[in-house]
Amino acid sequence: ETGVTQTPRHLVMGMTNKKSLKCEQHLGHNAMYWYKQSAKKPLELMFVYSLEERVENNSVPSRFSPECPNSSHLFLHLHTLQPEDSALYLCASSQGSGYEQYFGPGTRLTVT
Amino acid sequence: TQLLEQSPQFLSIQEGENLTVYCNSSSVFSSLQWYRQEPGEGPVLLVTVVTGGEVKKLKRLTFQFGDARKDSSLHITAAQPGDTGLYLCAVAFSGSARQLTFGSGTQLTVLP
Repeated sequence: ETGVTQTPRHLVMGMTNKKSLKCEQHLGHNAMYWYKQSAKKPLELMFVYSLEERVENNSVPSRFSPECPNSSHLFLHLHTLQPEDSALYLCASSQGSGYEQYFGPGTRLTVT
Repeated sequence: TQLLEQSPQFLSIQEGENLTVYCNSSSVFSSLQWYRQEPGEGPVLLVTVVTGGEVKKLKRLTFQFGDARKDSSLHITAAQPGDTGLYLCAVAFSGSARQLTFGSGTQLTVLP
C-alpha cells in the first residue's frame, strides 16, 4: 500500500449503531487529520494529531471520538449518529511544520 | 471567522477553451495550496505557493499568488475532459499551524 488508505470506503449505519473508520498513512508523516466533507460545504477540519499537539474543532459533537495509537494509524469511532452526519469523511497526513496535506480516498458514510 | 471564497462555484466549458478560477480572502495567508478532487476520491495536492506575486506552472495549469498574499488564481489553458473535477484552495492563516481552511471549491466540467 502507498499513500493514505481508508477503510471502509462505504458505510451505512443506523442511528443506534457503533462503528469505526480506519486510516493508515504509508508516507512516514508525523501528523494526521480527520475532515468532514458535506455537499455544498467546505471541508471541515474535525481533529488533528501530531507529536506536538492534539487539536479538536469545538463544534464537533461528542458522538465522534478519535483515536491515534501511533503516527501511522488514525481511527474515528462513531456512536449514536444523526442523519445529518452523513458525509464523506476524509483522512489526511502531513510532515513536520509543512501545511501540505495528503488525503485518503475517504469513507462515504450514510446514517439511516 | 476567516472566510475563503472561491469563484465561480460551477463552470462548464468545451474542450480546448481556457479558464480561470479564483480564491479570495480579506486576510493575509502564510501559504496557499490548490487541490483537485475527483468524484469518489480525496483531494490531490496540485501546488503550494508561499511568496507574494509567485507564479507556478504545472503543464497547462498556471497558478498565481497575489502580491498581498490575500488571493490566488488558477488558469487552465486548452482544457481537457481529464481536467474535470472540484478545484479547492486551502490556506494557512498566520498563527494557525497545520490547520488549513478550505474554500467551497469550483466544480469544473470540461465537455468533449
